[in-house]
Amino acid sequence: DIQMTQSPSSVSASVGDRVTITCRASQDISTWLAWYQQKPGKAPKLLIYGASSLQSGVPSRFSGSGSGTDFTLIISSLQPEDFATYYCQQANSFPLTFGGGTKVEIK
Amino acid sequence: QVQLQESGPGLVKPSQTLSLTCTVSGDSISSGSHYWSWIRQPAGKGLEWIGRIYTTGGTNYNPSLKSRVTMSVDTSKNHFSLKLSSVTAADTAVYYCARDIYFDVWGQGTMVTVSS
Repeated sequence: DIQMTQSPSSVSASVGDRVTITCRASQDISTWLAWYQQKPGKAPKLLIYGASSLQSGVPSRFSGSGSGTDFTLIISSLQPEDFATYYCQQANSFPLTFGGGTKVEIK
Repeated sequence: QVQLQESGPGLVKPSQTLSLTCTVSGDSISSGSHYWSWIRQPAGKGLEWIGRIYTTGGTNYNPSLKSRVTMSVDTSKNHFSLKLSSVTAADTAVYYCARDIYFDVWGQGTMVTVSS
């Protein structure tokens, strides 16, 4: 199985801050990576797919980059509705696997 | 707008079989252009992909669960199903259904508790 390691596991930030979350794959996954946002009691929401493609309807303050084994999700200017947990997911090979999550909390 | 809705018992006894259905609206399973997955999340923990099924019935399962998982699709009812046998407390989780390899559409999730 491909292991997905996210860091940090949590981050405290203020509205307007730039937030960076990283995801590392245990082997090369090219750009087969997605990012999700999950709020308490809700299903995850797809933000980014193909490592850098913005899902329709997702604000442009979210961006993704990377290829191979190292990936980054950036929130350029944190908004109140962005406080949530973020997960990466690899789609390169089975079983599909997720990172452990990064909780973005209010500072 | 495509919507997914999970349904099934919220309580299952240990050693029994968990059975869930995901009903698709706004899209046709038989269109053959999508994969349909099950994903679960224990309380306070991360996400685990259980497996997926294609319209033709072809499946891919997580090896960690493969011996206990069966997925099926019913195109006439536009739904797909999950069966997980020999459940234990470790199978207690919110179960989601979702579409495709990048999960662009999700159900709201259904909580399943394994307890006697």
